[in-house]
Amino acid sequence: QLQLQESGPGLVKPSETLPLTCSVSGGSISSTNYYWGWLRQPPGKVLEWIGSVYYTGTTHYNPSLKSRVTISVDTSKNQFSLKLNFVTAADKAVYYCAGHGRDYDTLTGYYPAWVDVWGQGTTVTVSS
Amino acid sequence: QLVLTQSPSASASLGASVKLTCTLDSGHSSYATAWLQQQPEKGPRYLMKLNSDGSHKKGDGIPDRFSGSSSGAERYLTISSLQSEDEADYYCQTWGTGIQLFGGGTKLTVL
Repeated sequence: QLQLQESGPGLVKPSETLPLTCSVSGGSISSTNYYWGWLRQPPGKVLEWIGSVYYTGTTHYNPSLKSRVTISVDTSKNQFSLKLNFVTAADKAVYYCAGHGRDYDTLTGYYPAWVDVWGQGTTVTVSS
Repeated sequence: QLVLTQSPSASASLGASVKLTCTLDSGHSSYATAWLQQQPEKGPRYLMKLNSDGSHKKGDGIPDRFSGSSSGAERYLTISSLQSEDEADYYCQTWGTGIQLFGGGTKLTVL
């Protein structure tokens, strides 16, 4: 059974970069069935998608965060990672890594769809 | 604009049934959705993917007490024989090219 586990710092200083890693177990990150994604949930707010990556390195990002986000995959380690630059207090949230099913659009090709595997989440605070 | 609307709260008695609703905006009424459960202090758990025709695919280990249905722009999650552990937040999710969207969630209280 596929399991995901986030790791990274729980505290980041304003204007710095938040690095998170997700380790995938119980299956291969090179599976053709999944996109691998990052989502977050600020306190008292709705879940927000940050972005997703396919094992080939193809990425899809939330337009509102795209300028600050890099998501990458390391197939040799069965891991994928998030880097969020220039963090502010608004980036305080529980961050989840996840596995998406895939949908297909005739114009744009495959893209990440429903989330059917979730990590347990890691809490990130932004403070000096 | 893609919008998902959920009632903030619902309640039902132990052993009873409850039907939660997620409504898509009229311009996206054919979109598929997914239902998620988030118990207190835990990460979300995938329940099912629900298509506009009502067909659905449940996640591994999801009890038969959980079922989904659709009508127009509305997507439903029905939980029968309610148990205390069903008390949780329930979210719907939808997606498109370059977008992933979650509803505001419904907090289910089991009385």
